[in-house]
Amino acid sequence: DAGITQSPRHKVTETGTPVTLRCHQTENHRYMYWYRQDPGHGLRLIHYSYGVKDTDKGEVSDGYSVSRSKTEDFLLTLESATSSQTSVYFCAISVQSLYGYTFGSGTRLTVV
Amino acid sequence: TQLLEQSPQFLSIQEGENLTVYCNSSSVFSSLQWYRQEPGEGPVLLVTVVTGGEVKKLKRLTFQFGDARKDSSLHITAAQPGDTGLYLCAGAPLSGNTPLVFGKGTRLSVIA
Repeated sequence: DAGITQSPRHKVTETGTPVTLRCHQTENHRYMYWYRQDPGHGLRLIHYSYGVKDTDKGEVSDGYSVSRSKTEDFLLTLESATSSQTSVYFCAISVQSLYGYTFGSGTRLTVV
Repeated sequence: TQLLEQSPQFLSIQEGENLTVYCNSSSVFSSLQWYRQEPGEGPVLLVTVVTGGEVKKLKRLTFQFGDARKDSSLHITAAQPGDTGLYLCAGAPLSGNTPLVFGKGTRLSVIA
């Protein structure tokens, strides 16, 4: 049992189409995060959630929205995908930042 | 904005050599964490240091938190090819459950 799973693992989509990535946890952790990772930029926070229906923006939130209707699921939506959103997306969970995160295995998204 | 500067960015060494990776900031953190990331996977938490001056050892890896809780180092003794990967440091801000601040990482390659 991985504790945190991301789906899909890989996706290719066309510019202008909506895309939803899913993060599912079985740990009942309060906090969930979405990051993107790009060469030269490291991990950048997109959005995070501190409870059901409680979310906040990160440093690169433009073009992305999130939803958390259940403790275990955190969805990231690209409303209209652009080539600049080609990246590897990671979800993470935590009890408290102080103690660290558990990351998912990532979703490689290519927008063509 | 809190920043964590990691150095070096890249490191290529021979098997058996020792190395040190640094993580520096002008900000104080409540904890400092180190992660290792392998290709195609998410980062995995190696250690969390909480107390200024704290030293933790994990087999051949030694982690130190600066006395002022602004910096940290990771020292690897007798590096092995299995140590190859991206090493990330992350700081937990003092202000409540704010998301972690990540460094951009050090990419280590250990050549047999």
